[in-house]
This record gives sequence, structure tokens and C-alpha cells, in this order.
Amino acid sequence: DVKVTQSSRYLVKRTGEKVFLECVQDMDHENMFWYRQDPGLGLRLIYFSYDVKMKEKGDIPEGYSVSREKKERFSLILESASTNQTSMYLCASSLGPAGVPQQETQYFGPGTRLLVL
Amino acid sequence: EDKVVQSPLSLVVHEGDTVTLNCSYEVTNFRSLLWYKQEKKAPTFLFMLTSSGIEKKSGRLSSILDKKELFSILNITATQTGDSAVYLCASPNGGGGADGLTFGKGTHLIIQP
Repeated sequence: DVKVTQSSRYLVKRTGEKVFLECVQDMDHENMFWYRQDPGLGLRLIYFSYDVKMKEKGDIPEGYSVSREKKERFSLILESASTNQTSMYLCASSLGPAGVPQQETQYFGPGTRLLVL
Repeated sequence: EDKVVQSPLSLVVHEGDTVTLNCSYEVTNFRSLLWYKQEKKAPTFLFMLTSSGIEKKSGRLSSILDKKELFSILNITATQTGDSAVYLCASPNGGGGADGLTFGKGTHLIIQP
């Protein structure tokens, strides 16, 4: 079974703090993704990575950065947290590479619910 | 821009009813359509559909894809309270396999005892 874990289930931070969200997958997947999920807006892609040290912007990258130093770990960084970044953050991974449907299925971690005060 | 639209956005039925959830899509270089079930936590994978007209089945859940009309349906028969969840439909972005998924906003299904 694919296992994707996230470092925290719930997190409370203050405006302006630097926030690190960690995600680890244990299935040697090539691709990893960060989404945020908000009521009425659904899941939106923030960043993704298809290889170590590689990263690509998703639909809403502003205010975020990512780091992928090891294949199994993908970190989302909020450089200076703001209240509009209060959300549920979901990490996912997929086997990769491009164009093979079975390898594009994404498996999700349990989510981190972040509250920025 | 890729688009996935689900309907209805919410649905309340009684235990034992059959429900049909809808998903339409407009995706460049379409490859597959995915269904997920989300309870209070992470979305869990249900089905991946790539071919038209071939039903995928798992217990009381089934799903089918129509690539000509660009939609998919998810059926749940003999619903139980444990089926209450948000059901998400998604498709890989058109740019290539390493891209993310475009999600619909989900159908919030509530099964009343």
C-alpha cells in the first residue's frame, strides 16, 4: 500500500511566521504534489515536483515555495504566513512518468489543517 | 484551461437509495479520469477510467466514462451511512503526466438513516 505521511495534522501559526509542511512517501514515487483545499474552491495545485531538486509551479504558487532534496520528501514552505493561507494542505504522490495513466494516479496524505492567526 | 465540473454539489438521500454523481470535463490531451472519496481527511482513490463504455465496479460503487460526451458518472447502490462523504472527480492536467490533477469542486453526499 502506498503511504504518504504529513508531519502535522493541525498547525496554528501567527502572521509573518515561516511555516514548513513536510510530506514523505514510501513508495519510491517520482512525482509529488502540494494542494490546498478550501470550501467552495475545491483542491488547487500549489507546486509539484517530478524529480529530486526539480519543482514546477502549479495554479496558485504565490506566497509558497517548495524543496525536494530527497526523492521521498517534499516540503512546502510559507515564507511569511498570512491569514489567507489558512487552509487544509494536502500532499500527494504518483509513480510517474508522463503519459501512462496507471502511473498518474495520485495518492494523498492525511492533510495538514493550518490556521494562521 | 482544463476544467472539471461536478453535479450536484450536494445531495441528501436516505439509506438504501441509489445515487448517481456526475462529472463533466474539458481537458487538453485527456488521458484518464479519477474518482476519489473524501471523508474527514485525505481523498482516497476509488477508480481510474481511461476507456469509454467500460464499467469499473467495486462492491456497490461503479463508474463509467463517455469520452465522446466528455463525462463520467459514479453510481452507488443500496447506500449506507458510511457512504456519506465528498466525492471528487479529477483529471491529469493536459501538459504531461507529471503535472497535477484538475479537480471538480466535489459532490457532498449525505446519507440519512
